[in-house]
Amino acid sequence: DSGVTQTPKHLITATGQRVTLRCSPRSGDLSVYWYQQSLDQGLQFLIQYYNGEERAKGNILERFSAQQFPDLHSELNLSSLELGDSALYFCASSAPGINSPLHFGNGTRLTVT
Amino acid sequence: SQELEQSPQSLIVQEGKNLTINCTSSKTLYGLYWYKQKYGEGLIFLMMLQKGGEEKSHEKITAKLDEKKQQSSLHITASQPSHAGIYLCGAPGPHGGSQGNLIFGKGTKLSVKP
Repeated sequence: DSGVTQTPKHLITATGQRVTLRCSPRSGDLSVYWYQQSLDQGLQFLIQYYNGEERAKGNILERFSAQQFPDLHSELNLSSLELGDSALYFCASSAPGINSPLHFGNGTRLTVT
Repeated sequence: SQELEQSPQSLIVQEGKNLTINCTSSKTLYGLYWYKQKYGEGLIFLMMLQKGGEEKSHEKITAKLDEKKQQSSLHITASQPSHAGIYLCGAPGPHGGSQGNLIFGKGTKLSVKP
Protein backbone atom coordinates (compact mmCIF):
# COMPACT_ATOMS: atom_id res chain seq x y z
CA ASP A 1 0.00 0.00 0.00
CA SER A 2 1.56 3.29 -1.17
CA GLY A 3 -0.46 5.43 1.19
CA VAL A 4 -1.96 7.40 -1.72
CA THR A 5 -5.73 7.02 -1.95
CA GLN A 6 -7.74 7.62 -5.10
CA THR A 7 -11.49 7.58 -5.50
CA PRO A 8 -13.47 6.34 -7.27
CA LYS A 9 -11.76 3.24 -8.63
CA HIS A 10 -13.97 3.10 -11.68
CA LEU A 11 -16.05 5.70 -13.43
CA ILE A 12 -18.29 5.24 -16.45
CA THR A 13 -19.85 8.30 -18.00
CA ALA A 14 -21.12 9.63 -21.30
CA THR A 15 -19.52 12.01 -23.76
CA GLY A 16 -20.00 15.65 -22.90
CA GLN A 17 -20.23 15.01 -19.18
CA ARG A 18 -18.01 16.28 -16.35
CA VAL A 19 -16.36 14.18 -13.65
CA THR A 20 -14.19 14.78 -10.60
CA LEU A 21 -11.40 12.48 -9.50
CA ARG A 22 -10.13 12.70 -5.96
CA CYS A 23 -6.73 12.00 -4.43
CA SER A 24 -5.41 11.96 -0.88
CA PRO A 25 -1.61 12.02 -0.75
CA ARG A 26 0.60 10.17 1.71
CA SER A 27 0.74 11.74 5.13
CA GLY A 28 3.38 14.46 5.11
CA ASP A 29 3.72 14.74 1.34
CA LEU A 30 3.15 18.23 0.02
CA SER A 31 3.39 17.53 -3.70
CA VAL A 32 0.63 15.93 -5.71
CA TYR A 33 0.97 14.88 -9.34
CA TRP A 34 -1.63 13.73 -11.83
CA TYR A 35 -0.82 11.33 -14.65
CA GLN A 36 -2.88 9.84 -17.45
CA GLN A 37 -2.17 6.34 -18.75
CA SER A 38 -3.62 5.16 -22.05
CA LEU A 39 -2.66 2.36 -24.42
CA ASP A 40 -1.58 4.66 -27.24
CA GLN A 41 0.05 7.50 -25.29
CA GLY A 42 1.47 5.58 -22.37
CA LEU A 43 1.90 7.32 -19.03
CA GLN A 44 1.85 11.10 -19.34
CA PHE A 45 2.35 13.83 -16.76
CA LEU A 46 -0.60 16.21 -16.49
CA ILE A 47 -0.04 18.63 -13.64
CA GLN A 48 1.69 19.11 -10.28
CA TYR A 49 0.63 20.96 -7.15
CA TYR A 50 2.81 21.80 -4.21
CA ASN A 51 1.22 22.85 -0.95
CA GLY A 52 -1.85 24.22 -2.67
CA GLU A 53 -0.15 25.96 -5.56
CA GLU A 54 0.26 24.85 -9.14
CA ARG A 55 3.91 24.02 -9.71
CA ALA A 56 4.15 22.55 -13.21
CA LYS A 57 1.95 21.73 -16.15
CA GLY A 58 2.40 18.95 -18.62
CA ASN A 59 0.19 17.72 -21.41
CA ILE A 60 -3.04 18.73 -19.75
CA LEU A 61 -5.98 19.68 -21.94
CA GLU A 62 -7.80 22.95 -21.38
CA ARG A 63 -10.95 20.93 -20.61
CA PHE A 64 -9.12 19.50 -17.59
CA SER A 65 -8.33 21.35 -14.39
CA ALA A 66 -7.06 20.48 -10.95
CA GLN A 67 -6.67 21.98 -7.53
CA GLN A 68 -5.11 21.13 -4.21
CA PHE A 69 -6.95 22.01 -1.04
CA PRO A 70 -5.61 23.23 2.33
CA ASP A 71 -5.77 19.68 3.71
CA LEU A 72 -3.55 18.72 0.71
CA HIS A 73 -6.03 16.45 -1.02
CA SER A 74 -6.39 17.12 -4.70
CA GLU A 75 -9.11 16.91 -7.29
CA LEU A 76 -8.83 16.53 -11.05
CA ASN A 77 -11.83 17.85 -12.97
CA LEU A 78 -12.48 16.58 -16.48
CA SER A 79 -15.17 18.29 -18.51
CA SER A 80 -16.78 17.99 -21.96
CA LEU A 81 -15.57 14.43 -21.97
CA GLU A 82 -14.68 12.71 -25.22
CA LEU A 83 -14.22 9.04 -26.02
CA GLY A 84 -10.48 9.60 -26.19
CA ASP A 85 -10.40 10.67 -22.55
CA SER A 86 -10.99 7.07 -21.50
CA ALA A 87 -7.87 6.13 -19.57
CA LEU A 88 -6.40 5.29 -16.21
CA TYR A 89 -5.76 8.45 -14.18
CA PHE A 90 -3.11 8.23 -11.50
CA CYS A 91 -2.35 10.48 -8.63
CA ALA A 92 1.08 10.40 -7.03
CA SER A 93 2.69 12.23 -4.15
CA SER A 94 6.22 12.80 -3.01
CA ALA A 95 8.04 14.02 0.05
CA PRO A 96 10.02 17.27 -0.08
CA GLY A 97 13.45 16.83 -1.65
CA ILE A 98 14.56 16.73 -5.25
CA ASN A 99 15.34 13.02 -5.25
CA SER A 100 12.17 11.89 -3.55
CA PRO A 101 10.47 9.19 -5.61
CA LEU A 102 6.83 9.30 -6.58
CA HIS A 103 4.35 7.12 -4.72
CA PHE A 104 1.37 6.27 -6.88
CA GLY A 105 -2.22 5.53 -6.00
CA ASN A 106 -4.05 2.67 -7.68
CA GLY A 107 -5.71 4.95 -10.16
CA THR A 108 -9.20 5.77 -11.37
CA ARG A 109 -10.27 3.97 -14.52
CA LEU A 110 -12.42 6.32 -16.56
CA THR A 111 -14.57 4.97 -19.35
CA VAL A 112 -16.36 7.46 -21.59
CA THR A 113 -19.17 5.96 -23.69
CA SER B 1 11.86 16.65 -26.69
CA GLN B 2 13.30 13.79 -24.71
CA GLU B 3 12.02 10.28 -25.33
CA LEU B 4 12.60 7.04 -23.49
CA GLU B 5 12.59 3.84 -25.49
CA GLN B 6 12.28 0.53 -23.70
CA SER B 7 13.21 -2.85 -25.06
CA PRO B 8 11.93 -5.42 -25.34
CA GLN B 9 8.26 -4.45 -25.36
CA SER B 10 7.38 -7.80 -23.85
CA LEU B 11 9.23 -10.74 -22.47
CA ILE B 12 8.25 -14.26 -21.46
CA VAL B 13 10.77 -16.18 -19.40
CA GLN B 14 10.85 -19.46 -17.58
CA GLU B 15 10.95 -19.22 -13.80
CA GLY B 16 14.54 -19.22 -12.59
CA LYS B 17 15.96 -17.55 -15.71
CA ASN B 18 17.77 -14.22 -15.75
CA LEU B 19 16.57 -11.33 -17.88
CA THR B 20 17.48 -7.77 -18.81
CA ILE B 21 15.29 -4.81 -19.75
CA ASN B 22 16.78 -1.73 -21.38
CA CYS B 23 15.80 1.92 -21.34
CA THR B 24 17.45 4.27 -23.83
CA SER B 25 17.12 8.03 -23.74
CA SER B 26 17.36 10.44 -26.66
CA LYS B 27 19.13 12.90 -24.35
CA THR B 28 21.40 12.83 -21.32
CA LEU B 29 19.65 11.48 -18.27
CA TYR B 30 19.64 13.59 -15.12
CA GLY B 31 18.05 10.91 -13.01
CA LEU B 32 16.45 7.65 -14.03
CA TYR B 33 13.68 5.91 -12.13
CA TRP B 34 12.49 2.33 -12.44
CA TYR B 35 8.94 1.43 -11.52
CA LYS B 36 6.93 -1.77 -11.62
CA GLN B 37 3.21 -1.88 -12.38
CA LYS B 38 0.86 -4.78 -11.97
CA TYR B 39 -2.04 -4.79 -14.40
CA GLY B 40 -4.59 -2.12 -13.51
CA GLU B 41 -2.70 -1.02 -10.41
CA GLY B 42 -0.45 1.82 -9.46
CA LEU B 43 3.27 2.02 -10.01
CA ILE B 44 5.66 0.78 -7.35
CA PHE B 45 9.00 2.55 -7.04
CA LEU B 46 11.97 0.23 -7.46
CA MET B 47 15.15 2.30 -7.78
CA MET B 48 16.58 5.65 -8.77
CA LEU B 49 19.92 6.22 -10.47
CA GLN B 50 21.68 9.52 -10.92
CA LYS B 51 25.36 9.17 -11.55
CA GLY B 52 27.00 7.75 -14.64
CA GLY B 53 28.14 4.20 -13.92
CA GLU B 54 25.89 3.93 -10.89
CA GLU B 55 24.49 0.53 -9.98
CA LYS B 56 21.89 -0.33 -7.37
CA SER B 57 20.41 -3.60 -6.24
CA HIS B 58 17.34 -4.61 -4.33
CA GLU B 59 16.77 -8.27 -3.67
CA LYS B 60 17.22 -9.93 -7.07
CA ILE B 61 16.85 -6.77 -9.16
CA THR B 62 19.86 -4.72 -10.25
CA ALA B 63 19.69 -1.47 -12.18
CA LYS B 64 22.60 0.32 -13.86
CA LEU B 65 23.05 3.68 -15.53
CA ASP B 66 25.76 3.76 -18.19
CA GLU B 67 28.71 6.14 -18.03
CA LYS B 68 27.30 8.37 -20.75
CA LYS B 69 24.00 8.60 -18.87
CA GLN B 70 21.87 7.75 -21.87
CA GLN B 71 20.99 4.16 -21.17
CA SER B 72 19.86 2.16 -18.18
CA SER B 73 19.35 -1.55 -17.75
CA LEU B 74 17.32 -3.53 -15.27
CA HIS B 75 18.49 -7.05 -14.60
CA ILE B 76 16.51 -9.69 -12.75
CA THR B 77 18.33 -12.75 -11.48
CA ALA B 78 16.55 -16.09 -11.03
CA SER B 79 13.14 -14.71 -11.99
CA GLN B 80 10.05 -15.68 -10.01
CA PRO B 81 6.33 -15.40 -10.79
CA SER B 82 6.22 -12.45 -8.37
CA HIS B 83 8.45 -10.51 -10.78
CA ALA B 84 5.73 -10.52 -13.43
CA GLY B 85 4.33 -7.13 -14.36
CA ILE B 86 5.11 -4.07 -16.43
CA TYR B 87 8.43 -2.35 -15.85
CA LEU B 88 8.64 1.34 -16.69
CA CYS B 89 11.57 3.68 -16.73
CA GLY B 90 11.03 7.36 -16.06
CA ALA B 91 13.18 10.47 -16.24
CA PRO B 92 12.70 14.13 -15.31
CA GLY B 93 10.73 15.81 -18.07
CA PRO B 94 10.79 19.27 -19.59
CA HIS B 95 7.93 20.71 -17.59
CA GLY B 96 9.93 22.21 -14.75
CA GLY B 97 8.63 22.03 -11.21
CA SER B 98 10.41 19.18 -9.55
CA GLN B 99 11.91 15.85 -10.48
CA GLY B 100 8.53 14.27 -9.93
CA ASN B 101 7.40 15.49 -13.33
CA LEU B 102 8.56 12.47 -15.22
CA ILE B 103 8.41 11.23 -18.77
CA PHE B 104 8.06 7.50 -19.04
CA GLY B 105 8.92 4.80 -21.50
CA LYS B 106 6.09 2.69 -22.89
CA GLY B 107 6.98 -0.16 -20.54
CA THR B 108 8.18 -3.75 -20.79
CA LYS B 109 5.64 -6.44 -20.00
CA LEU B 110 7.25 -9.35 -18.21
CA SER B 111 5.61 -12.75 -17.84
CA VAL B 112 7.26 -15.50 -15.82
CA LYS B 113 6.20 -19.06 -16.54
CA PRO B 114 6.30 -21.42 -13.56
